[in-house]
Amino acid sequence: QKEVEQNSGPLSVPEGAIASLNCTYSDRGSQSFFWYRQYSGKSPELIMFIYSNGDKEDGRFTAQLNKASQYVSLLIRDSQPSDSATYLCAGKATYNTDKLIFGTGTRLQVFP
Amino acid sequence: SAVISQKPSRDICQRGTSLTIQCQVDSQVTMMFWYRQQPGQSLTLIATANQGSEATYESGFVIDKFPISRPNLTFSTLTVSNMSPEDSSIYLCSVAEGASNQPQHFGDGTRLSIL
Repeated sequence: QKEVEQNSGPLSVPEGAIASLNCTYSDRGSQSFFWYRQYSGKSPELIMFIYSNGDKEDGRFTAQLNKASQYVSLLIRDSQPSDSATYLCAGKATYNTDKLIFGTGTRLQVFP
Repeated sequence: SAVISQKPSRDICQRGTSLTIQCQVDSQVTMMFWYRQQPGQSLTLIATANQGSEATYESGFVIDKFPISRPNLTFSTLTVSNMSPEDSSIYLCSVAEGASNQPQHFGDGTRLSIL
């Protein structure tokens, strides 16, 4: 069973701090990873995606991928209360390149 | 990215009835998917909607319970049949454009409650 695992949290950080969200996956052949933000009562919204080892930056967000360790992370710099949401990590399964396997999500709380 | 319209946004239904959820995209997309998100849970893929052919269902989901149509590259429907309280959930349509490695984008979802 291919799995994507996340700590459910909540992860609490003060405003202005760096929030670090982590995700591990079991399918060593997975090639693509996606981070979605989901506010309560809303649908998931794509934040970042990463295909290659290393870092990918977009504004305050940095996605990191380490395929050797089967580890994906999302860093949020200068965290704001508006970043408070559940962050879902998803990996694309190798046996079906169109199917996403979602983790259970990490709830982030940014307090003023 | 494509604009995805899903309706109804919510509904309350009686057990034993069926409900059809529509997903309309403002541009042609390669892939369309249907997910379920039960209260407090993550997303579970129900099926991939294939244009002009039968949907591809994931383990635990069957066509008799969740019939899906996709008549063209911009529209799909999911029917939840013979509903029971266990079907109370959020149902989400997602789409991926272009090549198979493109990210998926989600519609606003349908919040379904069964009495």
